[in-house]
Amino acid sequence: GESVGLHLPTLSVQEGDNSIINCAYSNSASDYFIWYKQESGKGPQFIIDIRSNMDKRQGQRVTVLLNKTVKHLSLQIAATQPGDSAVYFCAETTNRDDKIIFGKGTRLHILP
Amino acid sequence: GAGVSQSPSNKVTEKGKDVELRCDPISGHTALYWYRQSLGQGLEFLIYFQGNSAPDKSGLPSDRFSAERTGGSVSTLTIQRTQQEDSAVYLCASSFDSGVSLEKLFFGSGTQLSVL
Repeated sequence: GESVGLHLPTLSVQEGDNSIINCAYSNSASDYFIWYKQESGKGPQFIIDIRSNMDKRQGQRVTVLLNKTVKHLSLQIAATQPGDSAVYFCAETTNRDDKIIFGKGTRLHILP
Repeated sequence: GAGVSQSPSNKVTEKGKDVELRCDPISGHTALYWYRQSLGQGLEFLIYFQGNSAPDKSGLPSDRFSAERTGGSVSTLTIQRTQQEDSAVYLCASSFDSGVSLEKLFFGSGTQLSVL
């Protein structure tokens, strides 16, 4: 079936460096993509989203890139901080009436 | 309340017993989702309510699982005859459908279910 998945289950990054978390999706009909951050013991929190008519969107210290040709999504975090330690999930949906499907997640570990 | 509220936060039950998990979404949010998260795993979709439409139950793993949403607000997820493999964190999320697009999900902190 259709799925959203991630290339790396765990990513270790030096504090201050940039982090790049990748996600591959297989449903070509998906037109809305979202990144969520989940800290230990909490529910996921929205970070940033992007629609299929865009290839890049920037937020505060975060950038999401979408490449529909290869069905690839990435989250870039600039100047990674200890507070960025969490599990990051990408998610997709096909339209506003469809369910939102999450990938398996990548754990981001910040090295001091 | 200000956010999505789930209760109880922790539930320990014996195999074979029924459990009910409650979700209070953000007021005015028309969409409500239930997800299951096993230890160290991703979010597994269970069920989705959107306004007055029939719920999307395609993610429910067996007929032991059911959910309802009363009055378009509070939702209850019921697991009958619980099994040890049901042990997980059950997350509820809600969002506002603006009529143009589905807005971002707001998650509760989840219910940690442990089946002994």
